[in-house]
Amino acid sequence: QQPVQSPQAVILREGEDAVINCSSSKALYSVHWYRQKHGEAPVFLMILLKGGEQKGHDKISASFNEKKQQSSLYLTASQLSYSGTYFCGTERRGGGADGLTFGKGTHLIIQP
Amino acid sequence: EAQVTQNPRYLITVTGKKLTVTCSQNMNHEYMSWYRQDPGLGLRQIYYSMNVEVTDKGDVPEGYKVSRKEKRNFPLILESPSPNQTSLYFCASSFTARGNEQFFGPGTRLTVL
Repeated sequence: QQPVQSPQAVILREGEDAVINCSSSKALYSVHWYRQKHGEAPVFLMILLKGGEQKGHDKISASFNEKKQQSSLYLTASQLSYSGTYFCGTERRGGGADGLTFGKGTHLIIQP
Repeated sequence: EAQVTQNPRYLITVTGKKLTVTCSQNMNHEYMSWYRQDPGLGLRQIYYSMNVEVTDKGDVPEGYKVSRKEKRNFPLILESPSPNQTSLYFCASSFTARGNEQFFGPGTRLTVL
């Protein structure tokens, strides 16, 4: 079961903030976040392993609510370079080695 | 340079003509996997491998085969490609199966006519 991402798409002006949500129906071991530019490979942003964990670098951060099986990605004061498609990937608790299940992605467009 | 390479990057073929997409990583990673990406569906896992000679099906394995004879290589084989396998394919690797960043290859765009 793919995690559900929301919104599907968002258009922002440079400098505005965005929040992308990822929700799973299964108990989670970890949540990964990746960004993909058109025609390129996904690039790793961060991984959250513990419920309640929050991480961030530059102006991109994320949180993981293990009890609600949800994660959110926060983009603050967005820059043009933040444009792309954002994917969350989840590893389910007790899932062995079956790896990541990705959401369908959130398209983020930053306008000048 | 640490990287995952895939070949070919682009391929146009015809229905039924067997093909192999190669994937190689130089990071001594144990875990490797294949994904296909289709518009609106995100990345879906085809097969994965925990280590040499250990492979298992992902979410969409029908019509694909893989092998892991060496740690660095994880080829994807389409024995009899069909048009519904037209897609963008990514190989990825990580140090171990869980809780680690996945490094993606550049992708292979496959068109089956």
